[in-house]
Order: sequence, then C-alpha cells, then structure tokens
Amino acid sequence: GQNIDQPTEMTATEGAIVQINCTYQTSGFNGLFWYQQHAGEAPTFLSYNVLDGLEEKGRFSSFLSRSKGYSYLLLKELQMKDSASYLCAVMDSNYQLIWGAGTKLIIKP
Amino acid sequence: GAVVSQHPSRVICKSGTSVKIECRSLDFQATTMFWYRQFPKQSLMLMATSNEGSKATYEQGVEKDKFLINHASLTLSTLTVTSAHPEDSSFYICSARTGGARETQYFGPGTRLLVL
Repeated sequence: GQNIDQPTEMTATEGAIVQINCTYQTSGFNGLFWYQQHAGEAPTFLSYNVLDGLEEKGRFSSFLSRSKGYSYLLLKELQMKDSASYLCAVMDSNYQLIWGAGTKLIIKP
Repeated sequence: GAVVSQHPSRVICKSGTSVKIECRSLDFQATTMFWYRQFPKQSLMLMATSNEGSKATYEQGVEKDKFLINHASLTLSTLTVTSAHPEDSSFYICSARTGGARETQYFGPGTRLLVL
C-alpha cells in the first residue's frame, strides 16, 4: 500500500531551527510537496522536490532523497506565525497526491 | 504562485437543502481539479478528482449522487452537496493542478459548511 509518515506534533522555540521529517512508500514518484496549513484555513504551497538534494526558499528549505524515500522540511529563525500544521504529500505514478497526516508545529516564546 | 478562488467562504443551511460551491482557477487553466473535505483536527480527505469535460472520479466511500461535481470549463469546477445533513458539515477545499514541468496543486481558501 501507499504510506506517508510524519511526526504528529513537534515543539520548538522562537528563533530556533526545526526539521520536520517525512518518509514515504508510494507506487511511483512524481515529486514531493510540502504545504503549510494554519488552523481553519486551506493549505498553502511551500515547496516541491522531484530531484535529490536541498531546495532553499528564504527561511524554509526542503530536502529529498528518493533512494531512501525521505524528505525533510527545515524551518529557520522560527517565528510565532510559523505555528501551523505542515503537510507532506507525494505525487504517485498516477499523478495523484498522497497525503501525510500532517505535523502540528508549536512555537514557544 | 497561482491563484484559486472558492465561493462561498462560509454557508449555513437547513437540513435537506442543497448547497453549491464554486472553485475557480484565476490565472491559469486547470484540466484537473480536486475536491477535499477536512473535519476538525483531521487530515485532508480527497473526495473526487474533476476533469474538464468528463465525469468526476470519486474516491471510495464518497456518494457520487450526493456530491455532484461539474467541471464546466478549464477554470471552473462546482461541487453541489445535495440534500445536506448535519453530518455533511465540514470544511470543503478545492485545488487545481497547474500542469507543466513542475506540476503543482494550489488550493482555494476553502468553504466552511454548517448544516443545521
């Protein structure tokens, strides 16, 4: 079957760095996405990785290793507004998104 | 990024009535749109995949006669919740696929439905 695993909840301190991991097993691979979702709002697109390596976009970076079925989202210089759920999703061979359950990130002052 | 709009943002209706939700891709053409439902504190659940000009593909357990989807054009898909009941109260979110080399899904802002 298809499976996306990510931690349920993480806590970090304002100004610090946090890494949210995602492992996947899917039928085919056409890219991995990270989305941010604040409570009561729709998800917003953060990043897309289809090749191995690190993609940096401001305070957020995303890493992919296809051979390991592994990705992480790295958030630097954490701000209180970064408190949200972070969703990992993989596009399978049918170009359908398979979603993880999301990681709730709590930022403390 | 690409913009997807959704209307209405919030709707309250009586049990037994039907509710239509519109999803539009504003600055790109979307051959494929997706409809999701999200209950409080739960993950997104894909309801159906909507392809322009053809019938929607529904996920297992989603009643196609209850959740009518029409993908009328490359920029508009509608979801109609027919004979809504309180258990249909949820957050409904659409997304549209951009296509191209770096295909991405962008989400609408969601519609919060409350059935009394």
